Amino acid sequence: SQQGEEDPQALSIQEGENATMNCSYKTSINNLQWYRQNSGRGLVHLILIRSNEREKHSGRLRVTLDTSKKSSSLLITASRAADTASYFCATALSGGYNKLIFGAGTRLAVHP
Amino acid sequence: EPEVTQTPSHQVTQMGQEVILRCVPISNHLYFYWYRQILGQKVEFLVSFYNNEISEKSEIFDDQFSVERPDGSNFTLKIRSTKLEDSAMYFCASTPSVVGYTFGSGTRLTVV
Repeated sequence: SQQGEEDPQALSIQEGENATMNCSYKTSINNLQWYRQNSGRGLVHLILIRSNEREKHSGRLRVTLDTSKKSSSLLITASRAADTASYFCATALSGGYNKLIFGAGTRLAVHP
Repeated sequence: EPEVTQTPSHQVTQMGQEVILRCVPISNHLYFYWYRQILGQKVEFLVSFYNNEISEKSEIFDDQFSVERPDGSNFTLKIRSTKLEDSAMYFCASTPSVVGYTFGSGTRLTVV
């Protein structure tokens, strides 16, 4: 079983549309984080939501967390071509030294 | 904004050779990590380092791997005898506490 699985695996939308990506996990978490990765590049931290939070906003990003369903969603509103990238959720498990368990990611393509 | 710096950005090595990947974490951070990402796959945890010792390691982190903080600033990952399957992007990260991950831009290791 895998911790941190995203769906869809790939998403193709037009500029201006909203993009929603989902993440599911299996064990108790301390927090859940979303990262962005442009092709072949580094990981950029987008947003962190703690296990006692339900929703968080940052600019055009909205993250929700449902600990009862062990799921999270990332919504990017009014998408731009520059949002084209892979998006990963990563869970920090309760206890331990805060290692992150990454999902397989969603490849988002935003077409002008 | 403080950054985690990794060098080199790309390294090509022959199978069986030793490689050392270097990282300069953010100066006041206390926890250090290495992750790797095989091309097209998810990011995987390798090892965490705290208080000058390994705090947690994954199954991937076998006897071929070692980490060191030789001075107050550098954090290195050594692979003793590289295999073809070690080809991946290696990411260093640091955190001041249990939250606040900052990743470096990665070293792409190619074993030929």
